[in-house]
Amino acid sequence: EAGVAQSPRYKIIEKRQSVAFWCNPISGHATLYWYQQILGQGPKLLIQFQNNGVVDDSQLPKDRFSAERLKGVDSTLKIQPAKLEDSAVYLCASSLDLRYEQFFGPGTRLTVL
Amino acid sequence: GQQVMQIPQYQHVQEGEDFTTYCNSSTTLSNIQWYKQRPGGHPVFLIQLVKSGEVKKQKRLTFQFGEAKKNSSLHITATQTTDVGTYFCAGRDQGGSEKLVFGKGTKLTVNP
Repeated sequence: EAGVAQSPRYKIIEKRQSVAFWCNPISGHATLYWYQQILGQGPKLLIQFQNNGVVDDSQLPKDRFSAERLKGVDSTLKIQPAKLEDSAVYLCASSLDLRYEQFFGPGTRLTVL
Repeated sequence: GQQVMQIPQYQHVQEGEDFTTYCNSSTTLSNIQWYKQRPGGHPVFLIQLVKSGEVKKQKRLTFQFGEAKKNSSLHITATQTTDVGTYFCAGRDQGGSEKLVFGKGTKLTVNP
């Protein structure tokens, strides 16, 4: 079974630029998550989708971050404009349904200069 | 909001020694999950605990969920170098939120 795919793996941008990350979850998984992991900390949930509906986006900085999951399959997360403090690893995860174990992708390491 | 705290933040052991990490939530949990993240890797699911007082074992790993469903622990017997990594607990509030809140993790290093 293929795992969660993410691209790109690495991205370096300057502050105030825009960036987008892509995630393809495991086939058949209804729930998709985007996490931000800052070095030395645990993953912090940014947004959670159930199929193509948003379940929780309470910690998403909506003035600069946006995410969509069209057709309830793959998803994109965008940052516009980026700030220095956005430097982190962005992890996508999926699960069969709510409350099931989560399978994480390899992550995208973002550096904002 | 819900907070999940883990101690210790770091633990260095000699190979063969035991290791324990503790997780405490500010709120009562409906369930708790444990993940392991190897250096440079991504979190990998280990186990989920749901019932009050539940104890589960996976080979040398023993997981416990507290009676009040506000704390949990992971104990590794006779550590090996393959156990190196950061162990995270993640809890879901009993109040109905579907959000999983991760602790900061315990980073384990093992000296061969």
